[in-house]
Amino acid sequence: RKEVEQDPGPFNVPEGATVAFNCTYSNSASQSFFWYRQDCRKEPKLLMSVYSSGNEDGRFTAQLNRASQYISLLIRDSKLSDSATYLCVPDGGATNKLIFGTGTLLAVQP
Amino acid sequence: DTAVSQTPKYLVTQMGNDKSIKCEQNLGHDTMYWYKQDSKKFLKIMFSYNNKELIINETVPNRFSPKSPDKAHLNLHINSLELGDSAVYFCASSQGAVLSYEQYFGPGTRLTVT
Repeated sequence: RKEVEQDPGPFNVPEGATVAFNCTYSNSASQSFFWYRQDCRKEPKLLMSVYSSGNEDGRFTAQLNRASQYISLLIRDSKLSDSATYLCVPDGGATNKLIFGTGTLLAVQP
Repeated sequence: DTAVSQTPKYLVTQMGNDKSIKCEQNLGHDTMYWYKQDSKKFLKIMFSYNNKELIINETVPNRFSPKSPDKAHLNLHINSLELGDSAVYFCASSQGAVLSYEQYFGPGTRLTVT
């Protein structure tokens, strides 16, 4: 089983749409969870951390289900500028490193 | 000012050559990393240094040797380059080695080995 699994997409959505990405991770010892965003041919940048109780940052909502080892990201009212690859990133537990998923590509259409 | 900078941005070289990539961060962070992103966009850690001390050394060929002359710099030297080394190499830094800290990435070095 892969350490982190994400639907690669692409997700093609119109502006203003709501889109959700899912991710599963295999290491039950993971403690920290993040969503990073990577634009085409650019470096990854932190979008948001994911907390156990779920958290929201503007149009973005992240949820964590530790029992199912599942992380989600919801984007409301999609903007053209949201077009990017979204990387699900749990930590590797005792390995003391972050494990990056291969990402889900989002393309927001005008 | 760029927080994490890398040089060069592009590197095209022939098999068998030796090359270095330099990384500098001006964030005052204690921890620095090297990641490799292959053609399938898989981003994987190679090395991590905390206060100039190596703390993560993934299973990478011995041809790859990191060097941290001080907390703000982490360089990567690659000997005897192979076709499979072609990838984008990202340097990153974080406030500390605790994984809850945000990692800040440099713009990447696109290495092409011919």
